[in-house]
Amino acid sequence: DSGVTQTPKHLITATGQRVTLRCSPRSGDLSVYWYQQSLDQGLQFLIQYYNGEERAKGNILERFSAQQFPDLHSELNLSSLELGDSALYFCASSVESGGVNEQFFGPGTRLTVL
Amino acid sequence: TQLLEQSPQFLSIQEGENLTVYCNSSSVFSSLQWYRQEPGEGPVLLVTVVTGGEVKKLKRLTFQFGDARKDSSLHITAAQPGDTGLYLCAGKDAGKSTFGDGTTLTVKP
Repeated sequence: DSGVTQTPKHLITATGQRVTLRCSPRSGDLSVYWYQQSLDQGLQFLIQYYNGEERAKGNILERFSAQQFPDLHSELNLSSLELGDSALYFCASSVESGGVNEQFFGPGTRLTVL
Repeated sequence: TQLLEQSPQFLSIQEGENLTVYCNSSSVFSSLQWYRQEPGEGPVLLVTVVTGGEVKKLKRLTFQFGDARKDSSLHITAAQPGDTGLYLCAGKDAGKSTFGDGTTLTVKP
């Protein structure tokens, strides 16, 4: 158990819909990362938040947005869903100490868009 | 262009064999992490290497960071079926977290 929690575990929805994925980091970790993992693409970095502020942006679509709240939990919002958005979405948290970037991953949310 | 290139992409071996997988980049990293991921689960951190030339051992796993901090290797001695999984290397470049595509290792009993 990494200490990172994600809900829901599974999500099935239709094209055009909007969903929200939730992540609670490990106690004491200020950084939250979001990743998308598809069968044919590997682990793709979407976005990072640090103590409520956006710190880095990866390959995140404009239809996707995220935020980190004062209690440090984070939400990833996916809108106007397409079939190609079906994937595993992982959240990770990190202490962010100097140049070391050790991340602890949650169990993921499996999103299926029909 | 993949920032972190991992090879081989797939590796299937018999229990008891030794193996090495590689993580290469043209960029210098302040640190590199290795993770192992099982199907449907999140990656689990194995080790962090920080210093060029550094060698770290974790039971039967030996991790090495290249002298120039651009590459790393993972050597497994006497592989066991429990070592089966996707091995990922990761680092930060220009502040962005990046992962290699991984090596899928299958160890057959």
